[in-house]
Amino acid sequence: DIQMTQSPSSLSASVGDKVTITCRASQSITFYLNWYQQKPGKAPKLLIYAASSLQSGVPSRFSGSGSGTDFTLTISSLQPEDFATYYCQQSYITPRTFGQGTKVEIK
Amino acid sequence: EVQLVESGGGLVQPGGSLRLSCAASGFTFSSYWMDWVRQAPGKGLVWVSRINSDGSSTSYADSVKGRFTISRDNANNTLYLQMNSLRAEDTAVYYCARENSMTTVNPTDYWGQGTLVTVSS
Repeated sequence: DIQMTQSPSSLSASVGDKVTITCRASQSITFYLNWYQQKPGKAPKLLIYAASSLQSGVPSRFSGSGSGTDFTLTISSLQPEDFATYYCQQSYITPRTFGQGTKVEIK
Repeated sequence: EVQLVESGGGLVQPGGSLRLSCAASGFTFSSYWMDWVRQAPGKGLVWVSRINSDGSSTSYADSVKGRFTISRDNANNTLYLQMNSLRAEDTAVYYCARENSMTTVNPTDYWGQGTLVTVSS
């Protein structure tokens, strides 16, 4: 199975900050990497697919980059509604493994 | 509007069985691969199973292989997860989710609200 490792596990940031979350795959997944946002008690929401493609309706302050084994999710200017947990997922092969999550908290 | 509505969760004893259903609407169900993803209380997301658009191909996480069966009824736009030999560690919210098989990477683009399965005596 492909292991997905996110860092950091949590971070504290202020509104307006630039936030970067990284995701590393245990083997190359080319660009088969997706990012999700989950708020407490809610279902996950797709933000980015294919490493860098913005899902329809997602604000442009979210962006993704990377290929192979190393990927990044960037929030250019953190907004109050962005405080949540973020997950990466590889869709290269089954099992479609997720990272352990990164919780973004208010500083 | 795409909607996925899960049902069938509840409290079950260890070793018992439960069948989850997911009613889909707002899209051509028979054209899309579908997944089940679970989340134990306070924990992260775990992919459980997937089924292709016509139901002829399925995949499972090792943790549920041989105990869970995914299936679908395209005539009635419904996805199922039959769960047998349930264990305490299967306790989780179970999400039904659609893969966007119209893109190269098949991201999971729509999710249901989830149904809670609790395995306890």
